[in-house]
Amino acid sequence: GAGVSQTPSNKVTEKGKYVELRCDPISGHTALYWYRQSLGQGPEFLIYFQGTGAADDSGLPNDRFFAVRPEGSVSTLKIQRTERGDSAVYLCASWTGEEETQYFGPGTRLLVL
Amino acid sequence: KNQVEQSPQSLIILEGKNCTLQCNYTVSPFSNLRWYKQDTGRGPVSLTIMTFSENTKSNGRYTATLDADTKQSSLHITASQLSDSASYICVVSDRSGTYKYIFGTGTRLKVLA
Repeated sequence: GAGVSQTPSNKVTEKGKYVELRCDPISGHTALYWYRQSLGQGPEFLIYFQGTGAADDSGLPNDRFFAVRPEGSVSTLKIQRTERGDSAVYLCASWTGEEETQYFGPGTRLLVL
Repeated sequence: KNQVEQSPQSLIILEGKNCTLQCNYTVSPFSNLRWYKQDTGRGPVSLTIMTFSENTKSNGRYTATLDADTKQSSLHITASQLSDSASYICVVSDRSGTYKYIFGTGTRLKVLA
């Protein structure tokens, strides 16, 4: 595709439920980032993948959050036992690893009721 | 602690006027600084990128400056248009090996007709 895509665009869930957010990076981009953006704030780093492996997951807030990228392309961010404080926009970005620009997807707006 | 601070938090100007947004950072080691534009409900889009040795970069009506000694950057928008209404986010990349982005909280610009 022409850019980074994320699905779903919006997700409403109930407290305690499990959610999965998907990111399709630009084809050929080896690096993939997940960010979380709360209302009125800048994006906050969650996790970075280089290929299939998580090179840096220091931004994941707790063990309810987990992300995978099994084939080095599509990535899934998984949130267990969702809490109201998890409500935010979750942004994905991909990068070639050479050109120093990350390309962002439109985000998934998660609302936990 | 690595931080990026932006001012003002929000700004309203009339169409056709110029404005300047400010960014101060305390990121070390420093790799580069970007300005992103984020329209409501969309992912951030890169406007400019500057490395340590560059002190100005233009992209159409957008001109960014960087003073690496004082760790300050500005984004000047000339002859504003209604479509400039967006959040403008200053992003600093460190050279820690993962090209982690540190985001400012953004300046929300509203251009009025």
